[in-house]
Amino acid sequence: EPEVTQTPSHQVTQMGQEVILRCVPISNHLYFYWYRQILGQKVEFLVSFYNNEISEKSEIFDDQFSVERPDGSNFTLKIRSTKLEDSAMYFCASKPGVAYEQYFGPGTRLTVT
Amino acid sequence: SQQGEEDPQALSIQEGENATMNCSYKTSINNLQWYRQNSGRGLVHLILIRSNEREKHSGRLRVTLDTSKKSSSLLITASRAADTASYFCATARGSNDYKLSFGAGTTVTVRA
Repeated sequence: EPEVTQTPSHQVTQMGQEVILRCVPISNHLYFYWYRQILGQKVEFLVSFYNNEISEKSEIFDDQFSVERPDGSNFTLKIRSTKLEDSAMYFCASKPGVAYEQYFGPGTRLTVT
Repeated sequence: SQQGEEDPQALSIQEGENATMNCSYKTSINNLQWYRQNSGRGLVHLILIRSNEREKHSGRLRVTLDTSKKSSSLLITASRAADTASYFCATARGSNDYKLSFGAGTTVTVRA
């Protein structure tokens, strides 16, 4: 069964460094998302991406964040200058159509020290 | 905010018993979805119920939706130890792409 994959599974970085989190959505899906979950808290929406552009973003998704779909398969989240409070599990998700369920990847645990 | 809120926060049951958890939300939705998360792992989609549906079944799962009360329930019948996980409801509101708003989750522990 097709699944969303994410790399790396765990990333440790120093404050102020740039990180890129990578995702490979399911191949025929059209809508792509990033969410994050700070330890012990709710899963929070960051950004949605459709037709090669951001369709919606949350207040969390400030100028330090960016997303790209550089080719037909990868979907990346970049954090330009990481802060301690960016430490969280980051989930990528995709779905085939507008009102379908989202399929989540296993997540990347980002630890900022 | 139209995030779902689950109730109870935690639930401990014996294997074989049923587990019921509830979700309330604040605004109109297109659909509501339930996800499971094992400790430290990703989110697994369980079931989606659309706003024009009232009940849906999938294996040992039964979901109800009451849009007049803005609430949903998830019932897991004949629970197993492997059902131990956190369960989240997520609402999708009419917008460009129906992003999901998650609740805080119900942690279910099934004792053998």
